[in-house]
Parts: sequence; structure tokens; C-alpha cells
Amino acid sequence: DTEVTQTPKHLVMGMTNKKSLKCEQHMGHRAMYWYKQKAKKPPELMFVYSYEKLSINESVPSRFSPECPNSSLLNLHLHALQPEDSALYLCASSQSGTANEKLFFGSGTQLSVL
Amino acid sequence: AQSVTQLGSHVSVSEGALVLLRCNYSSSVPPYLFWYVQYPNQGLQLLLKYTTGATLVKGINGFEAEFKKSETSFHLTKPSAHMSDAAEYFCAVSHSSGSARQLTFGSGTQLTVLP
Repeated sequence: DTEVTQTPKHLVMGMTNKKSLKCEQHMGHRAMYWYKQKAKKPPELMFVYSYEKLSINESVPSRFSPECPNSSLLNLHLHALQPEDSALYLCASSQSGTANEKLFFGSGTQLSVL
Repeated sequence: AQSVTQLGSHVSVSEGALVLLRCNYSSSVPPYLFWYVQYPNQGLQLLLKYTTGATLVKGINGFEAEFKKSETSFHLTKPSAHMSDAAEYFCAVSHSSGSARQLTFGSGTQLTVLP
């Protein structure tokens, strides 16, 4: 199994809602990532988990809250988002998080904030 | 510091023609270089990567790239374009003094293949 699975594929939420994005991989990877991608732009790194510990937070607003319950799962909790947060949210994983590794990406969650 | 520049945000080729997507990098230490492809409404998929060793790297779907240190380039080529190659292509750079956090993407090139 070489897949990273993200759910839901699409999400529409109001600015007062609380929702969560989910990501799962069963490749035994110990590094997992959240990226945000606006239309026609490259992915921007948000968070990195290494061995279930948050190792990187790229100055992301607190309305985004990541969680790594175990080595296979990664969540992104959303609360009080703004319309400008509408984007494709991509999850990725890699073997151990070193610089020469291939990243495996999920298909993403297309988020619309109304 | 490291950065990537992709020349040409849009490239159009005819089916069967040569594909050339340009990427130049800047890195203060020996880089690792990657090309990723993104099809509509999907995540990114690795085409190929250069870490060490042979400078001509072969990837999936008939793509290859050559690492040229003297030109600080890592251009992506394919001898004959297919309609299914139409997608967004991202060049990316990282280096060994950091983690995968140091992966920096270029701005992307949209490839259109004309029948």
C-alpha cells in the first residue's frame, strides 16, 4: 500500500464552524506533513510531524491545530477560519523526514470557507 | 538559503514533440533536486530526483532530467509528448543540512499538449 488517504475530498464550512481534516498512511512512514495550496501556486508547508512529535510549525495561525494520534494518522482541526483560508490542503508522508526523501502526497481536501 | 526558479509558467507543445521544462536553483550547499507532477484535482507525484551520483536521472513516464552544477540547472525533458502529460510541474530543492522541511518548490509550469 503506497497511498496517502485524505478525507473528506471536499469541505464547505462557515466561519464559525469546527471541522477536521484526516490523513492516513500505512507505509510505516514516520514523518507526516500538512501543506496548503492556493490555486495556480506551489504547496506551502504548514506543519511537520516527526515520530509523532510536532517538529515544524511554519507560523501558522492558531485557528489551524494539527494532531498526530499515532504514526499512521494525522489530523488538522479547523476553527473560526477566514475566507482566505479556502485552499487545497495536502497531506504528505516520507520515510523519516530527511532531505533526500521522496514525499508521498494524498489527493487533498478542497476547502471552501464561506 | 535555497531557491528555485522555473522559467515559463505556461509551456505548450504538440503531441509527439519534445518537452523541455526549465528549472534553475540556488543553494549554498550541494542540493537534492526533485521534479513533481500534479494532475488536476490531485496531489503531487514524484517524477524523479537527483541526490548524488549520475547526473542524468531517469524518472517515470519517460521523463528525465540532467543535473548541471556549472549552470545550476535541472531541466526536465521528454522526447515525445503525450496528451496525458498535460499537468502542472513543480521543481523543488532541498539540502542535507536540514530536514524535509527545507524542501522549497518553484512556482510551477503548466504544460499543455496540443493534438
